[in-house]
Amino acid sequence: GIQVEQSPPDLILQEGANSTLRCNFSDSVNNLQWFHQNPWGQLINLFYIPSGTKQNGRLSATTVATERYSLLYISSSQTTDSGVYFCAVGALKETSGSRLTFGEGTQLTVNP
Amino acid sequence: KAGVTQTPRYLIKTRGQQVTLSCSPISGHRSVSWYQQTPGQGLQFLFEYFSETQRNKGNFPGRFSGRQFSNSRSEMNVSTLELGDSALYLCASSFRGGNGYTFGSGTRLTVV
Repeated sequence: GIQVEQSPPDLILQEGANSTLRCNFSDSVNNLQWFHQNPWGQLINLFYIPSGTKQNGRLSATTVATERYSLLYISSSQTTDSGVYFCAVGALKETSGSRLTFGEGTQLTVNP
Repeated sequence: KAGVTQTPRYLIKTRGQQVTLSCSPISGHRSVSWYQQTPGQGLQFLFEYFSETQRNKGNFPGRFSGRQFSNSRSEMNVSTLELGDSALYLCASSFRGGNGYTFGSGTRLTVV
């Protein structure tokens, strides 16, 4: 099946710093989402971005589908940005329905 | 509009028992998927239902089953619980699958 690799696995920042999280995937996708998992376990959808670039406030994301990677940018980080960020993809080859394959996540810690 | 609702939020069960978890999708969403999250295995796909039919299934034993009702609400059942079934179970809904999923807050199951 499709493989998803996220880097870095851990990231520690000072408040106000910028960061870039990367997601590489091994096959063509028809779905790519970035999630932030809050301390209570809920996956908060940040972006649905199988291709192109999107921005939402301090967050933006870019997916280059032809090169099989996606980037999540966090600018002017805040302590509330702390948590685990997941990239999840749906393989284009899934002909019946769709399943998301998740990366192992990036644990982000933002210190005051 | 209301999000994806999962009940109960927490459960403690004994080995050998069975458990049923419930998921109410966003109104109008017809696809419901289930995921298991454990520290060792990460987030893994269990199954997907669309219009009351199981459309996709992950690599889990037959003890894990599910169903979807005509109102799109879904239940998953785990029979003969094992200690290793302790996990956060997450439900996600989508209008038709493959175009972006919204997750619920999850059910945290502990098997003792």
